[in-house]
Amino acid sequence: DAMVIQNPRYQVTQFGKPVTLSCSQTLNHNVMYWYQQKSSQAPKLLFHYYDKDFNNEADTPDNFQSRRPNTSFCFLDIRSPGLGDAAMYLCATSAGSASGMRETQYFGPGTRLLVL
Amino acid sequence: AQKVTQAQTEISVVEKEDVTLDCVYETRDTTYYLFWYKQPPSGELVFLIRRNSFDEQNEISGRYSWNFQKSTSSFNFTITASQVVDSAVYFCALSLPEGQNFVFGPGTRLSVLP
Repeated sequence: DAMVIQNPRYQVTQFGKPVTLSCSQTLNHNVMYWYQQKSSQAPKLLFHYYDKDFNNEADTPDNFQSRRPNTSFCFLDIRSPGLGDAAMYLCATSAGSASGMRETQYFGPGTRLLVL
Repeated sequence: AQKVTQAQTEISVVEKEDVTLDCVYETRDTTYYLFWYKQPPSGELVFLIRRNSFDEQNEISGRYSWNFQKSTSSFNFTITASQVVDSAVYFCALSLPEGQNFVFGPGTRLSVLP
């Protein structure tokens, strides 16, 4: 049974056209993360939510935003995608702790974004 | 600074061979977690193991085993009798106390040939 679900698996968008990627989880985890992974590279953390508290990584471009309307869902919004934003976007969840960072992260299958 | 190094970019083995993937980490913290994840071609990162910095016992799970040595800051992963389905990118990662990041190594691409 899928625990972290990402839709769609493949997303094609046009240069500059806003796009939203979605993630849902059935684990009831407090923490949700968004990672960007480019070809042959390690995942790079963009931001995470601990409950409703949003934590942005210092080097995440302003072009990337996120929303978490409830425990189960989290969205990644790319306001004006550029060619360099083409990548795999991975959502992950973990159980809550004081930091949320020491717990095991469980990943979804990812959404591969193509920017034309 | 925290860092995870996986010196082996790519490894190729023939099925049934044993293979060890190296992971070396750097941190000044005494409390941390170490992880291994597998990323098959489908793209999903699959959790394999988590190790607490205070637990240096080696672990075996089927054909997988992990050797954690704090003295050398290493957390190596061995696959015994490799199979084609083991072909994937394997990431070692370090998780630090409050306020810190979850640091991934660059990954090792393992190809198991039939």
